[in-house]
Amino acid sequence: DAGVIQSPRHEVTEMGQEVTLRCKPISGHDYLFWYRQTMMRGLELLIYFNNNVPIDDSGMPEDRFSAKMPNASFSTLKIQPSEPRDSAVYFCASSFDPLNTEAFFGQGTRLTVV
Amino acid sequence: QKEVEQNSGPLSVPEGAIASLNCTYSDRGSQSFFWYRQYSGKSPELIMSIYSNGDKEDGRFTAQLNKASQYVSLLIRDSQPSDSATYLCAVKPRGGSYIPTFGRGTSLIVHP
Repeated sequence: DAGVIQSPRHEVTEMGQEVTLRCKPISGHDYLFWYRQTMMRGLELLIYFNNNVPIDDSGMPEDRFSAKMPNASFSTLKIQPSEPRDSAVYFCASSFDPLNTEAFFGQGTRLTVV
Repeated sequence: QKEVEQNSGPLSVPEGAIASLNCTYSDRGSQSFFWYRQYSGKSPELIMSIYSNGDKEDGRFTAQLNKASQYVSLLIRDSQPSDSATYLCAVKPRGGSYIPTFGRGTSLIVHP
């Protein structure tokens, strides 16, 4: 398996624009996580899905953020409208069973909002 | 609010020395503890997990857990320049979602 695949790797956008980040989890993993990493706040869980259903979105900072998982092999994180303070590295991770196994991270998307 | 605290560093050690990384957590009910390594510009990768009090060794790495004092540590023996990275501590609660809370990480620099 190629691991968790995220796209794009880098995104530079202007304030106010819509940004869509994409993730393909490892096949067979039932759990998918979206994290945001900044120097100030570290690695924060934004939302996670189990079997394509959002379970906990309490980490989503504002209504400008939304996430979907239309099927087991694809998820998106959308920011609309984007703001400079959204600049961060966004990681997607997947796991077979979070109780007993680790989460595998994608390579991340470095987002810069200017 | 479950918190996981780490000294941000950087922790600088000479090659061949023992590097000691520490982590404290606030949720006394936590049951699983993990150390991830993250190279600059890369994603976190799991290097150690520990579930019970005491030491767990894996090659040059030793994880130590003390639930009474609510801390977990990672020792790296014979440190190599290739160990230079940020080390993230992650803690899973007992029950509930089992989703870990991450510390902000400690930057380790191993100089030749």
